[in-house]
Amino acid sequence: DADVTQTPRNRITKTGKRIMLECSQTKGHDRMYWYRQDPGLGLRLIYYSFDVKDINKGEISDGYSVSRQAQAKFSLSLESAIPNQTALYFCATSDSYRLNYGYTFGSGTRLTVV
Amino acid sequence: GENVEQHPSTLSVQEGDSAVIKCTYSDSASNYFPWYKQELGKGPQLIIDIRSNVGEKKDQRIAVTLNKTAKHFSLHITETQPEDSAVYFCAASSGSGNTGKLIFGQGTTLQVKP
Repeated sequence: DADVTQTPRNRITKTGKRIMLECSQTKGHDRMYWYRQDPGLGLRLIYYSFDVKDINKGEISDGYSVSRQAQAKFSLSLESAIPNQTALYFCATSDSYRLNYGYTFGSGTRLTVV
Repeated sequence: GENVEQHPSTLSVQEGDSAVIKCTYSDSASNYFPWYKQELGKGPQLIIDIRSNVGEKKDQRIAVTLNKTAKHFSLHITETQPEDSAVYFCAASSGSGNTGKLIFGQGTTLQVKP
């Protein structure tokens, strides 16, 4: 099984719909992140969480919300999806306890808003 | 704000040649610089990283160099092989201390021609 699992892998939704992307990890890492990938723009940080009670906005948080249900679970919601939120979304984890800043990424969710 | 610029956006080399990807960063407090490789349909994977107290690090065919004064770092791949074809991202840690946040470059699509 993958260390970081994202569901769904692909999703097509209509404008205005609410959608949730889920991420779970078995690495025991305390930190979790949501990034979106767009061609030519790289990976941009949406939200990040250093523990269950610590949620922080990234550089492009408008139109998104998150929930850290447990140390292992971090979900991303689009309250009212719009076409420019069409992108590839990645969840990532890192471990502060070992001073290891390297991320472990999930396989991504490809979201299309029509 | 914090920014990482990555060049070139695309790079095509012949098998056996070397490939170099360069990145510059803006935050003088950045102290951790990882490189990720993303294969088609997968999430980015850490391939090598370097910290600010080191100028160069090598792992088999890949190496990373860091010039803190100039705020730039580079990835060098020698003896390229077709399986090196992928998208490569550089990143820099955001802010001083143990923030855990990474700011990514725009990505470089490397094509190794057999």
